Amino acid sequence: DQQVKQNSPSLSVQEGRISILNCDYTNSMFDYFLWYKKYPAEGPTFLISISSIKDKNEDGRFTVFLNKSAKHLSLHIVPSQPGDSAVYFCAAETSGSRLTFGEGTQLTVNP
Amino acid sequence: KAGVTQTPRYLIKTRGQQVTLSCSPISGHRSVSWYQQTPGQGLQFLFEYFSETQRNKGNFPGRFSGRQFSNSRSEMNVSTLELGDSALYLCASSFAGETQYFGPGTRLLVL
Repeated sequence: DQQVKQNSPSLSVQEGRISILNCDYTNSMFDYFLWYKKYPAEGPTFLISISSIKDKNEDGRFTVFLNKSAKHLSLHIVPSQPGDSAVYFCAAETSGSRLTFGEGTQLTVNP
Repeated sequence: KAGVTQTPRYLIKTRGQQVTLSCSPISGHRSVSWYQQTPGQGLQFLFEYFSETQRNKGNFPGRFSGRQFSNSRSEMNVSTLELGDSALYLCASSFAGETQYFGPGTRLLVL
């Protein structure tokens, strides 16, 4: 039962353009959502989060949007840079510290 | 502030052996969670400790266990290792839940 799904295994964008990574979830009890960036054989790096009481959160080039009725969230990166190339995971949790992760999306930003 | 540290970074064991991995959380963080990452199953939650008590547990067999010390440092133990236990084991810390910050991981190879 995959409660958090990232349907795009990969995404390729040009430097300077917008990257949009998507995530869907099924468990309506999730109340906190996070995005992490990961390089091979390293731990995930926290990027940005959003509480279920909000629909948008911004931090520099990163913006996360949450649509609770659609059970969908997205991460926008503007402008995209080659250093953003990595695997991006979306994660969700209910109260407590148990994160449920999506499968990840490999983002490649081409110079 | 120093980040989450994990030791050792790499480990090779043979089937049937047991292994202990260590995690030091960010100073002041009281919650420590453990995750397993494999190519087939993705990132999966193992367990979470808060103030030396296991607060949450994932769907892993009893061969996987952990503990937390009074200084919040945590260890996880895997007994009777199987080939399928080969994975990247990640530790994450948080103050009391919500945003978790990950360590670099321990790469375990079981031969």
